[in-house]
Amino acid sequence: GAGVSQSPSNKVTEKGKDVELRCDPISGHTALYWYRQSLGQGLEFLIYFQGNSAPDKSGLPSDRFSAERTGGSVSTLTIQRTQQEDSAVYLCASNQEGVSSYEQYFGPGTRLTVT
Amino acid sequence: SQKIEQNSEALNIQEGKTATLTCNYTNYSPAYLQWYRQDPGRGPVFLLLIRENEKEKRKERLKVTFDTTLKQSLFHITASQPADSATYLCALHRGGGSYIPTFGRGTSLIVHP
Repeated sequence: GAGVSQSPSNKVTEKGKDVELRCDPISGHTALYWYRQSLGQGLEFLIYFQGNSAPDKSGLPSDRFSAERTGGSVSTLTIQRTQQEDSAVYLCASNQEGVSSYEQYFGPGTRLTVT
Repeated sequence: SQKIEQNSEALNIQEGKTATLTCNYTNYSPAYLQWYRQDPGRGPVFLLLIRENEKEKRKERLKVTFDTTLKQSLFHITASQPADSATYLCALHRGGGSYIPTFGRGTSLIVHP
């Protein structure tokens, strides 16, 4: 079946512009995660959606970052007034609540470059 | 907060040998510990999960151990192949209803033919 997809695969933007990154999780997966991965760094948790519960936004680095998940499926991560330090690969993952492996299925990521 | 240490230096080994990667953590003992593989330009792929009450888990050429006393997990690849070359990440789950893992930075493995 189809895996997690993300778009765009690459995004180059000028400092100060807003960007939107999209994630299509695996159909039926109730949980969705956004992470950020900078060069040589681990995956930095950003936000977590689970079903109809309020999202866990504890990882968002500033109020310039926000995310939505519409209809329990597609999610959009928005970064307003981008800064150069926002340059990173943004990864989305999904999984099914209750699966004991806690296995997360990752998308290929969006590489964001802020110039 | 939980801190995870994975060797930042790449591990270079010869084909056919056993590769051993280390994941050390501080603070709380995780309920679950996972290992993922990440290839350049791609997202991580889940490999194995081990629980705090398990000492060892195997899957084909892969073996994971979990020592809660040492606060360490070891990840072994036996009979390594050049195709095993990738970055390997460990991820810790606190458990208790928390579904947000903490990932290490990963260790790069290079298997030479």
